[in-house]
Amino acid sequence: QKEVEQDPGPLSVPEGAIVSLNCTYSNSAFQYFMWYRQYSRKGPELLMYTYSSGNKEDGRFTAQVDKSSKYISLFIRDSQPSDSATYLCAPRSPTGRRALTFGSGTRLQVQP
Amino acid sequence: DVKVTQSSRYLVKRTGEKVFLECVQDMDHENMFWYRQDPGLGLRLIYFSYDVKMKEKGDIPEGYSVSREKKERFSLILESASTNQTSMYLCASSPGLAPNTGELFFGEGSRLTVL
Repeated sequence: QKEVEQDPGPLSVPEGAIVSLNCTYSNSAFQYFMWYRQYSRKGPELLMYTYSSGNKEDGRFTAQVDKSSKYISLFIRDSQPSDSATYLCAPRSPTGRRALTFGSGTRLQVQP
Repeated sequence: DVKVTQSSRYLVKRTGEKVFLECVQDMDHENMFWYRQDPGLGLRLIYFSYDVKMKEKGDIPEGYSVSREKKERFSLILESASTNQTSMYLCASSPGLAPNTGELFFGEGSRLTVL
């Protein structure tokens, strides 16, 4: 079993839709949960992160963590064509190695 | 802004050639990383370094080596390129012990094709 599992998509939605992107993980030591966004032909950039369980909101984006089920979600409200990108989850243990373990990424396409 | 610069965006090499991928960061970060990214497999860690002249193997180090002679520069070396090393290579850096999130800052990637 991979340490981090993510549906690769592609996921295609109309503009304005609510998008749900999800990851599961197996390492219960993970405490930080990051989402990276990667536009085509670019490197990934940190979108947002949460610590431990719960929700965190940043504009149209909400990150949610359920540690009991080892499930991570990223919700995008009022999706825009500019949100078209690959989204990668990256959970991390505070005492683990300095490198991140990434999910395989979900490719999202928002149609105008 | 943190800037991580990868020297070549696109390279085409022949099987058996020695390949150097260079990465420079301008934020005095201690940690530097090399990942490769392949469809369906995501980002996989090749090597990382937490100090000058220090290196540690990642998850897929076979066929690769690295060099870190200066803090700002981390090079990935393919001693004898093979077709299965055709991939997107991403360099990243992060500060210090990264006690909190451990955010990585990525370069734009180097797409290598081995014929």
